[in-house]
Amino acid sequence: RKEVEQDPGPFNVPEGATVAFNCTYSNSASQSFFWYRQDCRKEPKLLMSVYSSGNEDGRFTAQLNRASQYISLLIRDSKLSDSATYLCVVIAGNFNKFYFGSGTKLNVKP
Amino acid sequence: GAVVSQHPSRVICKSGTSVKIECRSLDFQATTMFWYRQFPKQSLMLMATSNEGSKATYEQGVEKDKFLINHASLTLSTLTVTSAHPEDSSFYICSAPMGVSNEKLFFGSGTQLSVL
Repeated sequence: RKEVEQDPGPFNVPEGATVAFNCTYSNSASQSFFWYRQDCRKEPKLLMSVYSSGNEDGRFTAQLNRASQYISLLIRDSKLSDSATYLCVVIAGNFNKFYFGSGTKLNVKP
Repeated sequence: GAVVSQHPSRVICKSGTSVKIECRSLDFQATTMFWYRQFPKQSLMLMATSNEGSKATYEQGVEKDKFLINHASLTLSTLTVTSAHPEDSSFYICSAPMGVSNEKLFFGSGTQLSVL
């Protein structure tokens, strides 16, 4: 079983739409959680960390559900520039390894 | 500016040759670095964890004799793809954790390897 699983999408949404992605993780001892954004053939960039209490950064809201072992990312008022692949990342294991989900592709259309 | 420098950014080589990829941490010491591989339309797959001064730890299914990792200093880790074959063509990217609890991950810009 994969450490982290995501729906690959693509999610095709119009500008201004609200879109949500989920991600599940298998290791209940996972310590930290993040959402990264990756543009085609570029390195991933940190979008936001995910805290137990949930956190918001502008149009982006991230939530963690430890009981069900999933995290979510909500994007409000989608912009064309939000088009990218969103990677769910979990830190787990003895060496604090970062495990990446397969990514969810988002296409925001005019 | 970049905190992790990776080069080369692109390599084209003949089958059977070896290719070395360097990853340097800038302005900070990285006792640990991670090496990932990404095939088209797939996620980053963790290949190995590079540990300064000791042997790298490899993920299941990754051949350690095929992908040699050296982490000889606190700012440099190298990945050598030995006797490369076309199926090794991929995007290789390194990263280094940083922060109080190593909770932040900084990436190099990646290396696109094409083996002819």
